Amino acid sequence: DVKVTQSSRYLVKRTGEKVFLECVQDMDHENMFWYRQDPGLGLRLIYFSYDVKMKEKGDIPEGYSVSREKKERFSLILESASTNQTSMYLCASSPLTGNQPQHFGDGTRLSIL
Amino acid sequence: ILNVEQSPQSLHVQEGDSTNFTCSFPSSNFYALHWYRWETAKSPEALFVMTLNGDEKKKGRISATLNTKEGYSYLYIKGSQPEDSATYLCAFNRNGDNNDMRFGAGTRLTVKP
Repeated sequence: DVKVTQSSRYLVKRTGEKVFLECVQDMDHENMFWYRQDPGLGLRLIYFSYDVKMKEKGDIPEGYSVSREKKERFSLILESASTNQTSMYLCASSPLTGNQPQHFGDGTRLSIL
Repeated sequence: ILNVEQSPQSLHVQEGDSTNFTCSFPSSNFYALHWYRWETAKSPEALFVMTLNGDEKKKGRISATLNTKEGYSYLYIKGSQPEDSATYLCAFNRNGDNNDMRFGAGTRLTVKP
């Protein structure tokens, strides 16, 4: 069965900390994505990557960076966490082409105090 | 920015009721529409990928229709059960790149026993 695994389900950090969210997929997918989901809003794309070491900004990249050193792993980094980054973060992967749905992880609920 | 609208935002029905909700998207440059079900504490799960005007897809008691000319898709649930309680997301893809998906905010369905 296909699997996207996020490193933490719940995380509490302090303002100003550097925060790492990790995501691993076992499907050999080219695309990987990081979204955040807030009440009343759709999934908003932060960054995506279509290949190792490649990254593209999504709709809300400010305050975030990403790293893709290996095909199966895509990391989201909050350089200096702020309270407005408290949210649910979802990682997803998909093949590069074709009408294929994205496969999601279980999400990380991040609270910044 | 592409607007993908879902209505209603939330819905409460009794067990056994049939229900439906809507996803609206830009009618120009259509490539595909995806429906996902997102249960609490789980990852979003793909339900349907729809590509052709007039498409109808079915999975058990859940079905979906697509009208690309007017820019909407309906999701129907026949004889709702408590286990159908979830947030239903639609996502619009306009160009065939699997990294270009725009999500709606979802419809949160609660089925009361």
